[in-house]
Amino acid sequence: NAGVTQTPKFQVLKTGQSMTLQCAQDMNHNSMYWYRQDPGMGLRLIYYSASEGTTDKGEVPNGYNVSRLNKREFSLRLESAAPSQTSVYFCASSEALTGSGGYTFGSGTRLTVV
Amino acid sequence: KNQVEQSPQSLIILEGKNCTLQCNYTVSPFSNLRWYKQDTGRGPVSLTIMTFSENTKSNGRYTATLDADTKQSSLHITASQLSDSASYICVVDILTGGGNKLTFGTGTQLKVEL
Repeated sequence: NAGVTQTPKFQVLKTGQSMTLQCAQDMNHNSMYWYRQDPGMGLRLIYYSASEGTTDKGEVPNGYNVSRLNKREFSLRLESAAPSQTSVYFCASSEALTGSGGYTFGSGTRLTVV
Repeated sequence: KNQVEQSPQSLIILEGKNCTLQCNYTVSPFSNLRWYKQDTGRGPVSLTIMTFSENTKSNGRYTATLDADTKQSSLHITASQLSDSASYICVVDILTGGGNKLTFGTGTQLKVEL
């Protein structure tokens, strides 16, 4: 099925460990995004990539890094995980930053940092 | 204070009944107002997209309305089904110099019971 694929679906980390969340889309979209969703809060933008080769900070970028590996793939890295990063992470894509054609979200990665 | 407020926070209705979910926003100017459905453990899926100049948009049993004067939107669900049980999220596109920025509400959790 066409769409946005995220791996892994679940992950438990110890404080200070590092990990990379993977995201790939097969819709030939130019723009990709990483969001986090916390209880009682709306989704918040961590980083985004307007097009291949560019990345920019969103609303809550501290503690994260990203890589736009190619047009299909956009990864999110936690260098030194903290309990405050316990959250559900969603990757999304769109044809352009204007959101024309809509946004497609992955199924999410549930991350727990202990 | 969140720029996109949704009410009620949660709602339980009987199968076959109708319901209306509310969204009040303070962001301005905006380009689009979107409604998403998020099933448990899944990513948000688009239901409707309205530009700032549209008043209503339907998608099957889902009808969204927009009153730009009062900055209110509603999502009406007709003849509810058990599969409508999900979180419904209101999202406003804010115009920025770098493209659209999505501002998410915290969602209304709907449960449809027999």
